[in-house]
Amino acid sequence: GPKVLQIPSHQIIDMGQMVTLNCDPVSNHLYFYWYKQILGQQMEFLVNFYNGKVMEKSKLFKDQFSVERPDGSYFTLKIQPTALEDSAVYFCASSSTGRSSYEQYFGPGTRLTVL
Amino acid sequence: GDSVTQTEGLVTLTKGLPVMLNCTYQTTYSPFLFWYVQHLNEAPKLLLKSSTDNKRTEHQGFYATLHKSSSSFHLQKSSVQLSDSALYFCALRATSSGQKLVFGQGTILKVYL
Repeated sequence: GPKVLQIPSHQIIDMGQMVTLNCDPVSNHLYFYWYKQILGQQMEFLVNFYNGKVMEKSKLFKDQFSVERPDGSYFTLKIQPTALEDSAVYFCASSSTGRSSYEQYFGPGTRLTVL
Repeated sequence: GDSVTQTEGLVTLTKGLPVMLNCTYQTTYSPFLFWYVQHLNEAPKLLLKSSTDNKRTEHQGFYATLHKSSSSFHLQKSSVQLSDSALYFCALRATSSGQKLVFGQGTILKVYL
């Protein structure tokens, strides 16, 4: 079935550095999402993106976070600067429409460790 | 706000036995419920979804019925297999929450011989 790819699978960086997480969504999908999962906790919504714009974001989506999808390439989540509490697994998802019934396809996640 | 509760963190079973993973939710708006399954080192994949009250939905031997009266969407299977060992997430998408999914904490299912 359709696959969402995430690069890299693991990233270790020092606190204060910038990191970019990359997501290759399903090719004909138009809606894109990032979720964050801290170890032992539930996955939580960060942001969703459509037509070049952030449509909705949660309180977890701090000012240090940004998303973009330049020229239909990767959908990226950038954190600048990183903080210790940003350590988590970040899941990217995409869907063909924004309707409730349409499935969000998830990537395998990027495990980010901030030292 | 909207929330999802999965009461079991870990369920261990012998192959061939039935299983039920609990999921309850809270929302004041019309709910759409999902079950996702995540095998080790893989992406979460959709297993079941429903927005229809009291109608059973089935896929790959798993089934669930959305009961709006009790705000529940429990996942069941009559006979678990070794390959069912995975992490199971219940998720809610409510009309009030836009397009985001609200997830439960997940239940690890381990099936033994």
